Amino acid sequence: AQSVTQPDIHITVSEGASLELRCNYSYGATPYLFWYVQSPGQGLQLLLKYFSGDTLVQGIKGFEAEFKRSQSSFNLRKPSVHWSDAAEYFCAVPNDYKLSFGAGTTVTVRA
Amino acid sequence: DGGITQSPKYLFRKEGQNVTLSCEQNLNHDAMYWYRQDPGQGLRLIYYSQIVNDFQKGDIAEGYSVSREKKESFPLTVTSAQKNPTAFYLCASSRTGTNQPQHFGDGTRLSIL
Repeated sequence: AQSVTQPDIHITVSEGASLELRCNYSYGATPYLFWYVQSPGQGLQLLLKYFSGDTLVQGIKGFEAEFKRSQSSFNLRKPSVHWSDAAEYFCAVPNDYKLSFGAGTTVTVRA
Repeated sequence: DGGITQSPKYLFRKEGQNVTLSCEQNLNHDAMYWYRQDPGQGLRLIYYSQIVNDFQKGDIAEGYSVSREKKESFPLTVTSAQKNPTAFYLCASSRTGTNQPQHFGDGTRLSIL
């Protein structure tokens, strides 16, 4: 079964600084990959998705992610973080008709 | 606007009681899902349904039951057999087929009285 790993449990970043969240996948062929964001007490919102083609994917809220086959990674980035980006972020990969999620990375934004 | 509605937002259960969490979607999606979220454990799949009148167990189905009588609705019952029901429950839906992104409701937080 396909799976994803998010190595960082918690990241703290200053407002205006850049952000990169790591996601590693385990699958031989090119996977489909998703990034979701969850604000406290809310459901998950899809930030972006990678199916094939361009390895740099643009998403909502100013986020982008880059698929790197050589590193089995699909890292999420944002050039300049806003206080409203404080949330939990999940990487996910389809497994048959289901999604398998990473454990999540909590992002704290300091003023 | 299309979306997924979960109710109630907060729910309290007494010992030995069954409670039912509601999930309704108007996205015309065939597939629906229930997840349980605990701190530090990410999301774990409880049940999923690809089509009306059919559903499958996920990774942690024990102590839970579901029904799928209508395309729009996928209620989850937390039975008294679930000994540790305190968690945040999320419902999702998607188009049928593999590799589809899922759309989520805003969740129900269940606590024990």
